[in-house]
Amino acid sequence: AQSVAQPEDQVNVAEGNPLTVKCTYSVSGNPYLFWYVQYPNRGLQFLLKYITGDNLVKGSYGFEAEFNKSQTSFHLKKPSALVSDSALYFCAVRDMNSYYQLIWGAGTKLIIKP
Amino acid sequence: DAGVIQSPRHEVTEMGQEVTLRCKPISGHDYLFWYRQTMMRGLELLIYFNNNVPIDDSGMPEDRFSAKMPNASFSTLKIQPSEPRDSAVYFCASSRATGGENTEAFFGQGTRLTVV
Repeated sequence: AQSVAQPEDQVNVAEGNPLTVKCTYSVSGNPYLFWYVQYPNRGLQFLLKYITGDNLVKGSYGFEAEFNKSQTSFHLKKPSALVSDSALYFCAVRDMNSYYQLIWGAGTKLIIKP
Repeated sequence: DAGVIQSPRHEVTEMGQEVTLRCKPISGHDYLFWYRQTMMRGLELLIYFNNNVPIDDSGMPEDRFSAKMPNASFSTLKIQPSEPRDSAVYFCASSRATGGENTEAFFGQGTRLTVV
């Protein structure tokens, strides 16, 4: 069965420190992988995606993610956290064999402390 | 482009009333998705359209829910009659494709529905 796991409900990071938000997935075929961010009372905003090619993907707001096929992971990272990065982050995966169905993680609340 | 536009942003209604949520997708996007977000269940796909045609409505919780897309620039999600357990944030999203490069979905700001 296809699934996405975000093992941490909440991640706390001091401003200026590097941050990592974890995501692991399970699909039957090759995955399309996505990260979205949701600020309070807002819709989800697309951050970055992995389709194919380079395992390190760069996205909006200085975020990047690394696709690791052997570990079936797609962790979101940023070298230096900002207070404004505090938000809810969602990982999602689509099996290339499934035309539309995005499988969503439960979300990780990222809190950046000044 | 203005992005995906949803209206209203907030809706408070009494149990038993009809509720209609509206969505204008991004121009040129062939796929439109309706999602519901709650604390308990997270993000749930309700239905999606391709070129205005409903493809899969298996996520629609009950017959009280219906969705239409009369043209490429407009879709509605209707709940009739509404119940308190329908209270949630409803998102509309659109994408150019579901495979290949342009596969990411863009979300509207959502409609927060409260049924009392």
